[in-house]
Amino acid sequence: AQSVAQPEDQVNVAEGNPLTVKCTYSVSGNPYLFWYVQYPNRGLQFLLKYITGDNLVKGSYGFEAEFNKSQTSFHLKKPSALVSDSALYFCAVRDLPGDTGRRALTFGSGTRLQVQP
Amino acid sequence: NAGVTQTPKFQVLKTGQSMTLQCAQDMNHEYMSWYRQDPGMGLRLIHYSVGAGITDQGEVPNGYNVSRSTTEDFPLRLLSAAPSQTSVYFCASSSRGRGTGELFFGEGSRLTVL
Repeated sequence: AQSVAQPEDQVNVAEGNPLTVKCTYSVSGNPYLFWYVQYPNRGLQFLLKYITGDNLVKGSYGFEAEFNKSQTSFHLKKPSALVSDSALYFCAVRDLPGDTGRRALTFGSGTRLQVQP
Repeated sequence: NAGVTQTPKFQVLKTGQSMTLQCAQDMNHEYMSWYRQDPGMGLRLIHYSVGAGITDQGEVPNGYNVSRSTTEDFPLRLLSAAPSQTSVYFCASSSRGRGTGELFFGEGSRLTVL
């Protein structure tokens, strides 16, 4: 079974500084990896995904993520944080590739990002 | 463009009561699912459906029933509510043809069971 770990419950960063939100995963085959963001009292919104190809994936709102197979990590990054980036971030890994039926995502426990002015 | 619509947004139940959380999507997505979100636990899959007439259990199905009579609708039923079912529930859908697993989420339904 696949699993996702987000080791930090909260990340604090000053506006304008770079940010990193960490994610490590465990799957039996090749992973499909995702980042979602949740603003207060809202549903989750898709940020970016890694399927194959370039290890650096670019997504919405200036976010990017780096896939590292040897470290089984998929850390979310942004060069310059904004106060409006403050939200709850979830990393997720998809069911076994090729399993087009179930398509269930396994989510991490979430990391709260707080960007201070 | 409505996307995924959930109703109600808030509900308070007494133990033993039943209710249905409604979910509708207008994107013609084949795949629909229900998750519950609890503090410190991320989202956990309750039930899912890969098309009309087809449903299956997820990670935490006990106490919940689903049906999928149309492509658009995927209601979640609690037959006898328990305090352990106090949670925020999210419906999500995805296009089977895309094959990438990107889910589109509703805004959530916050349920409290007393």
